Amino acid sequence: NAGVMQNPRHLVRRRGQEARLRCSPMKGHSHVYWYRQLPEEGLKFMVYLQKENIIDESGMPKERFSAEFPKEGPSILRIQQVVRGDSAAYFCASSPQEAATNEKLFFGSGTQLSVL
Amino acid sequence: DAKTTQPNSMESNEEEPVHLPCNHSTISGTDYIHWYRQLPSQGPEYVIHGLTSNVNNRMASLAIAEDRKSSTLILHRATLRDAAVYYCILRGTGNQFYFGTGTSLTVIP
Repeated sequence: NAGVMQNPRHLVRRRGQEARLRCSPMKGHSHVYWYRQLPEEGLKFMVYLQKENIIDESGMPKERFSAEFPKEGPSILRIQQVVRGDSAAYFCASSPQEAATNEKLFFGSGTQLSVL
Repeated sequence: DAKTTQPNSMESNEEEPVHLPCNHSTISGTDYIHWYRQLPSQGPEYVIHGLTSNVNNRMASLAIAEDRKSSTLILHRATLRDAAVYYCILRGTGNQFYFGTGTSLTVIP
């Protein structure tokens, strides 16, 4: 049973370009979470999605960032017009149902975004 | 989600027990206490969780204070592969796991 798959593992973009990060949840999981981790910091929640729905995007920057989780295919985190401050590790996690208080999350290995 | 307080770093000798503390004085009655760890260059992985009673699994033990305002993650015999950042998280209602900065554990051979 494959775990949470994220690709690419490393992504290099120049300022102003677009970054697309992909996340395939574990088989049977319909809930996806995206987190960002800046160097020497903890993980910061960004967005929580179910299939075709954004449930909570309270941690997502208001501009340039968007996320989707279509009926078919992986979840996508999209960053438009990247800036150097977007350089970070982006982690995706999935759960079989809404992460209730005693439910655990399964994380991918992350995408390291570097903006030149 | 309520917040937690952990020491920034700890050291342990290999094959000795490690006690990682966490304070969560604002915990509510329905908050679960979760522990995750993050190895270098990897995503976090689940370690253990509990509500009121102490918990044991193949990875670790979780000791929860009677008033639930603190807890301790216990690694019974630290190995070099246990070197990681350990996060103590309160999980209540809402969609966010608040990770904080965690405790960086160094295991000395």
